[in-house]
Amino acid sequence: GEEVAQTPKHLVRGEGQKAKLYCAPIKGHSYVFWYQQVLKNEFKFLISFQNENVFDETGMPKERFSAKCLPNSPCSLEIQATKLEDSAVYFCASSHGSEQYFGPGTRLTVT
Amino acid sequence: AQSVSQHNHHVILSEAASLELGCNYSYGGTVNLFWYVQYPGQHLQLLLKYFSGDPLVKGIKGFEAEFIKSKFSFNLRKPSVQWSDTAEYFCAVNEASGGYNKLIFGAGTRLAVHP
Repeated sequence: GEEVAQTPKHLVRGEGQKAKLYCAPIKGHSYVFWYQQVLKNEFKFLISFQNENVFDETGMPKERFSAKCLPNSPCSLEIQATKLEDSAVYFCASSHGSEQYFGPGTRLTVT
Repeated sequence: AQSVSQHNHHVILSEAASLELGCNYSYGGTVNLFWYVQYPGQHLQLLLKYFSGDPLVKGIKGFEAEFIKSKFSFNLRKPSVQWSDTAEYFCAVNEASGGYNKLIFGAGTRLAVHP
């Protein structure tokens, strides 16, 4: 497709529950990025992929966060045992060069 | 480590006023520079970008930005704002080498334009 697609749009989880977010990059883009935006503040980089391989995971919290980009499937970001501070909008972006195209985001609310 | 500073957190203007939003970055190497806009309830859209060449970059919707290497700055300007420019504006940089590097964002500037 011509746009980055993210599902779901909204996700509500109780503390301790699992959350899984999905991202379909633009066709032909081989790089996928995940960013976290808390309380409308700045974007924090989490992880990026080159095709199905992790490219940069320097921003990824090691303990509860994981991500995958498998062939012929949307990329996913999973949070095990969510905490209140995980409440944020999670944006996915894809790229085939230096410019990144952003999806509409998934708003995760942890109650 | 790279960082991006946006000096104005909130800006309030009347329509037709001129706009300048400051952005400074901290990085010793070559960078790509971007300005993104986030309209209320929408996702990030690219306004303009600088990779190399002419340091004065023109973007969409009448926006422009000037890269001043000696000042590590990439300020965003628009001569005459409209009510529809009400949005949050983010400056971002990434390392030019490698080409597919993570973006480092500033904290954003919230612009409110009154009719």
